[in-house]
Amino acid sequence: DSGVTQTPKHLITATGQRVTLRCSPRSGDLSVYWYQQSLDQGLQFLIQYYNGEERAKGNILERFSAQQFPDLHSELNLSSLELGDSALYFCASSALRQEQFFGPGTRLTVL
Amino acid sequence: KNQVEQSPQSLIILEGKNCTLQCNYTVSPFSNLRWYKQDTGRGPVSLTIMTFSENTKSNGRYTATLDADTKQSSLHITASQLSDSASYICVVSSLTSGTYKYIFGTGTRLKVLA
Repeated sequence: DSGVTQTPKHLITATGQRVTLRCSPRSGDLSVYWYQQSLDQGLQFLIQYYNGEERAKGNILERFSAQQFPDLHSELNLSSLELGDSALYFCASSALRQEQFFGPGTRLTVL
Repeated sequence: KNQVEQSPQSLIILEGKNCTLQCNYTVSPFSNLRWYKQDTGRGPVSLTIMTFSENTKSNGRYTATLDADTKQSSLHITASQLSDSASYICVVSSLTSGTYKYIFGTGTRLKVLA
């Protein structure tokens, strides 16, 4: 158990819909990262937050957005969902410049 | 362009055998290199992390090497076990203007057979 929690574990929705994925980092970690992993694909870095502020941006679509709240939990919002958005979405947390610890992931299925 | 390439793409070995996975990168500037193990459908778990000045780092039966001159890293697994069956991911981080970038390789899928 990495100490990072993600909810929900599974999510099934339809094209065009909007969903929110939630991540709670390890106690004391200020950085939160979001990743997308499509079937049989590598991990794609989406975005990083540090203490509530956006720190780094990767290959995140404009239809996707994220935020980190004062209690340090983070949410990833995915809108206008397409079939190709079906993937595992991982959250990771770390102390500044330290090892990232990954959560168990949320499996999103878009029908 | 910052890239991380891993080879082989997949590998099948018999239990008890050793194997070596490769990671070549073109990331600049280099900050550190991590190897992760990812079981199917689960989050990656860190095995080793190496900075520019480190050549070798071990974690049990896993030994990672780094050659910063040739920009190559390897992960050696000794006396493989069935539980080693997983994807192994090489990640290189780069620090520019106070911002980190994380470049992931596509991984090597290892299957250990009894």
